Amino acid sequence: QSALTQPASVSGSPGQSITISCTGTSSDVGGYPYVSWYQQHPGKTPKLVIYNVSKRPSGVSNRFSGSKSGNTASLTISGLQAEDEADYYCCSYVSSSTLVFGGGTKLTVL
Amino acid sequence: EVQLVESGGGLVQPGGSLRLSCAASGFTFSTYWMHWVRQVPGKGLVWVSRLDGDGSATRYADSVKGRFTISRDNAKNTLYLQMDSLRAEDTAVYYCATSYYDSRVYFDYWGQGTLVTVSS
Repeated sequence: QSALTQPASVSGSPGQSITISCTGTSSDVGGYPYVSWYQQHPGKTPKLVIYNVSKRPSGVSNRFSGSKSGNTASLTISGLQAEDEADYYCCSYVSSSTLVFGGGTKLTVL
Repeated sequence: EVQLVESGGGLVQPGGSLRLSCAASGFTFSTYWMHWVRQVPGKGLVWVSRLDGDGSATRYADSVKGRFTISRDNAKNTLYLQMDSLRAEDTAVYYCATSYYDSRVYFDYWGQGTLVTVSS
């Protein structure tokens, strides 16, 4: 159950697009469609922003999109806004019927 | 409105035990898988355990297997986490969580968390 690999930090200017990667193996990210992404602001509980690799929950901005290629999933945020500054975590189902999170990525809006 | 309220956290010595509770309301508790997720303050999220609706299917992260036990009382709409043989590295905020979209694998409902501190 090794944590999925995410970059520690990414940054972008308002209006730009950024992409956060999440790399696993064929036993997790690459093997199942159950990849999700969570946004967490300081002192708050996490918020689901993407599920099933690319689906957006009701109420989540269409600026958030997800994709997957092989063992790597990606979260893209377009039209960056100051309110997007937060920590982002990916999560995947694992072949052992468990779940695993990524280490988290801190997004800074410059 | 869905509500998840954790309780039972606190300070415990290494090797000690603690039982966390998560009181659920606003949804049909018995039909949802439930999870525990923990987070060391300032660090990342870590999945701990999950349990199906009738309590028959459980899974644990390797780091807690054999020491933690997840259970539920559907009559009381309550989820539990029995934590035994606690270690310093178990210190974290513990969240219970579930999902409307697929409660087996996602978390869109979270409690506010309860802090467990393992220290002598």
